[in-house]
Amino acid sequence: AAGVIQSPRHLIKEKRETATLKCYPIPRHDTVYWYQQGPGQDPQFLISFYEKMQSDKGSIPDRFSAQQFSDYHSELNMSSLELGDSALYFCASSLHGVGGLGYTFGSGTRLTVV
Amino acid sequence: DQQVKQNSPSLSVQEGRISILNCDYTNSMFDYFLWYKKYPAEGPTFLISISSIKDKNEDGRFTVFLNKSAKHLSLHIVPSQPGDSAVYFCAASRDNTDKLIFGTGTRLQVFP
Repeated sequence: AAGVIQSPRHLIKEKRETATLKCYPIPRHDTVYWYQQGPGQDPQFLISFYEKMQSDKGSIPDRFSAQQFSDYHSELNMSSLELGDSALYFCASSLHGVGGLGYTFGSGTRLTVV
Repeated sequence: DQQVKQNSPSLSVQEGRISILNCDYTNSMFDYFLWYKKYPAEGPTFLISISSIKDKNEDGRFTVFLNKSAKHLSLHIVPSQPGDSAVYFCAASRDNTDKLIFGTGTRLQVFP
């Protein structure tokens, strides 16, 4: 069965550079969530989209932006990268109304800022 | 402010015995509680959930117990198997359309 696809799997960037992370949800899923997991920490909610509109916002820095496109894939854009942005970034998708019961996570993108 | 807490960062259990993972929460608005399992280099995988109207949900070797008055839930795995070795995250949400709030995880190791 198709799962949530995240690309790239690994990314190394220098400080002050820009990074773009992509997420392709499960077909027919209309909701996408982005989470950030730092070393030894719990996944922290960043932002979510439902039907291409931002539905909720968490602890996402102003340097980050995201959007969901017409094909429901989502991109997380990160600018002026800082060392502290090094983390595992997860995307999850679900069908609206099913919520946490139907969350499917991707394998994540490991971002390393040097 | 950590709304979902897993106070045991690690747990070691012998194969065949019971594993009990605990989770506490502070937000009384949470209505759905979930457990996720995570292997290295993979995303979290949904295990089992429970809504606040129930106090127990069972799925095979996995049982989740919810004590709303104590704001506490636990995951029981019996019998534990070596393949259960992973990090287990407790998560909560206010309703079935809301984002998940995760705990910090408990690393379970099941040894032969």
